[in-house]
Amino acid sequence: AQSVAQPEDQVNVAEGNPLTVKCTYSVSGNPYLFWYVQYPNRGLQFLLKYITGDNLVKGSYGFEAEFNKSQTSFHLKKPSALVSDSALYFCAVRDMKRTDKLIFGTGTRLQVFP
Amino acid sequence: EAQVTQNPRYLITVTGKKLTVTCSQNMNHEYMSWYRQDPGLGLRQIYYSMNVEVTDKGDVPEGYKVSRKEKRNFPLILESPSPNQTSLYFCASRGRERRNEQFFGPGTRLTVL
Repeated sequence: AQSVAQPEDQVNVAEGNPLTVKCTYSVSGNPYLFWYVQYPNRGLQFLLKYITGDNLVKGSYGFEAEFNKSQTSFHLKKPSALVSDSALYFCAVRDMKRTDKLIFGTGTRLQVFP
Repeated sequence: EAQVTQNPRYLITVTGKKLTVTCSQNMNHEYMSWYRQDPGLGLRQIYYSMNVEVTDKGDVPEGYKVSRKEKRNFPLILESPSPNQTSLYFCASRGRERRNEQFFGPGTRLTVL
C-alpha cells in the first residue's frame, strides 16, 4: 500500500537555526513527492515537488527538500528559520494508480521561537 | 487571479439538515477533488471528478455526494450530516497538462452538532 509518514507531530526550532521536517514514503516505482504548507485559517499552499532529476529540490520561501531513494525519504529543510515559517506542513505522494489523487502524511506542526 | 474558491468558509449546522459546500475554479481545470482534513489523519480524498459528468469515489465517500454539471463547479453535498462529518474540507483542482500541480481552496470548516 502506498503511504507517507511524518514521524514528528511537532518540531520546535529557534529563529535563525536550520530546520528539518521529516517525511518518509512507501510506494512502488518512482515517487512523485510534494510538500505543502498550511498557515492558520488558510488553505494548503504548494511549496515544492520532486518528480525526477536533481535530488535537492528548491521551493518557495527559501525551503528545499532532499530526495533520498535508498532511505525512501523526502525531508524538508531550511537553512535559517523565521518565526513566520510557523505553520502546519504536509508531505504528500501522488497515487501511482490515480494521478489526480495525493496521499498525505498526517502533518507536522513547525513552531519557530524568537 | 487563478484560484479555487469555496463557500461557505465556516458553517455550524445540526444533525440531519442537508447542506452544500460550493467549490469553483477559474483555471479551466478538468480534475477536481474534495478532501477532508482531520487531526492525526492528514487529508483524505472524499470524491473526485475527471471532467464534466464524470465523478467517482475517493477513500472516504460515505455520507457525501457530489455533482459536476459544469467544468468550473464541483459542489459537495451532505444529505444528512452527522457529527462525525465535523471536519475541515478542501476542494482542489488540476489541469490535464500540468498534472503535478494541484491547487487547493481556502477550506471550509464544518461543525455538525
